[in-house]
Amino acid sequence: LAKITQPISMDSYEGQEVNITCSHNNIATNDYITWYQQFPSQGPRFIIQGYKTKVTNEVASLFIPADRKSSTLSLPRVSLSDTAVYYCLVGDMNTGFQKLVFGTGTRLLVSP
Amino acid sequence: GAVVSQHPSWVICKSGTSVKIECRSLDFQATTMFWYRQFPKQSLMLMATSNEGSKATYEQGVEKDKFLINHASLTLSTLTVTSAHPEDSSFYICSAPRWVAGGTGELFFGEGSRLTVL
Repeated sequence: LAKITQPISMDSYEGQEVNITCSHNNIATNDYITWYQQFPSQGPRFIIQGYKTKVTNEVASLFIPADRKSSTLSLPRVSLSDTAVYYCLVGDMNTGFQKLVFGTGTRLLVSP
Repeated sequence: GAVVSQHPSWVICKSGTSVKIECRSLDFQATTMFWYRQFPKQSLMLMATSNEGSKATYEQGVEKDKFLINHASLTLSTLTVTSAHPEDSSFYICSAPRWVAGGTGELFFGEGSRLTVL
């Protein structure tokens, strides 16, 4: 399975926009890109999912270039409560859940 | 929205004993559930796929006799860590997929279970 790489950590301040990138060079045609947030001693929580171009919901935006070999999670105006680990997940969300590949995770620290 | 629940959240046991962790899908049926293991500051690693009505599928390197999985119903999967040892101490997480009409599937995760073996 392809390795999904993310920056190990990022630091930000309250109110800033944070962009976390994920590299998935070997993404397959049927693969989707999903981002999850995880707090210590909790299970991952869904943030956003996309296939191509741009997806936006009430908490984040997901930018996917045409070649789909990378993606960027954008968190607008972060707060202290956004301090967490963010995982990029790549795989077929229709038939291949067991082949989903988790990224290495990015530890985001938001300071006052 | 869909919820996947795990129990217990925390468990401490003595070496050599067995521990059972339950994973329930609360408002949808899940013929398939997944069990992960997560070590500190590491990503989730898939251990096995739990299949309702049939045997679980284990990932390479995961001992099926050590980690017993039973998918008793469409809403319940259990992971039993048998003869636990300190090296089995970890954070265990389950997940279940759900599909919406006309859309892709989404993977819902449980809250996780912290196992500490003394």
